[in-house]
Amino acid sequence: EVQLVESGGGLVQPGGSLRLSCAASGFTFSSYNMNWVRQVPGKGLEWVSYISSSSSSIYYADSVKGRFTVSRDNARNSLYLQMNSLRDEDTAVYYCARGYSTSSVSPLRYWGQGTLVTVSS
Amino acid sequence: EIVLTQSPGTLSLSPGERATLSCRASQSLSSSYLAWYQHKPGQAPRLLIYGASSRATDIPDRFSGSGSGTDFTLTISRLEPEDFAVFYCQQYGSSPLTFGGGTKVEIK
Repeated sequence: EVQLVESGGGLVQPGGSLRLSCAASGFTFSSYNMNWVRQVPGKGLEWVSYISSSSSSIYYADSVKGRFTVSRDNARNSLYLQMNSLRDEDTAVYYCARGYSTSSVSPLRYWGQGTLVTVSS
Repeated sequence: EIVLTQSPGTLSLSPGERATLSCRASQSLSSSYLAWYQHKPGQAPRLLIYGASSRATDIPDRFSGSGSGTDFTLTISRLEPEDFAVFYCQQYGSSPLTFGGGTKVEIK
């Protein structure tokens, strides 16, 4: 059974940093591209970042570019999101998500339950 | 960036009724790389439809998708009580991936 479990969320002051983790199991993690998607409370879904299976291709939403860094450790079956210079508007539930297939063009079939990041003074 | 516009914002229907949700893209989607998701509070989003019209694994056949180019539709033929939720369309053919603003299907 595919499982994605996020952790690392919490309360942080504006300008602060936080590192999210996503532990994957039930599939060959090193074969799949991964994504981070967030949902601001009461708002819609927003894609945040993409990392290919080998980390050779990485993309970010303009809203986080230069502040967030995505990475992965295939030996540990883990995905990460380093978030720096956090702003109030980064407050959201952050989900890690896996594509339906190993293709670089794939809808998001498996999602974690999310971890809440609150940026507030 | 491809902008997706969903309508209506809210749909008030009764169980057993048919729901028709619309998603319009700001430019034509290559190879119909359009997906639909269902999202309930406190839960992970659930993939329903991909490639505009293919049902994901274990999705009941009352959910169907159609459309191409810039206009897409999600139809729920007969609403079950568990179907009431927010639905999002998403294009995954070009970066950045983008989602529509969502349609809430609520119980009338």
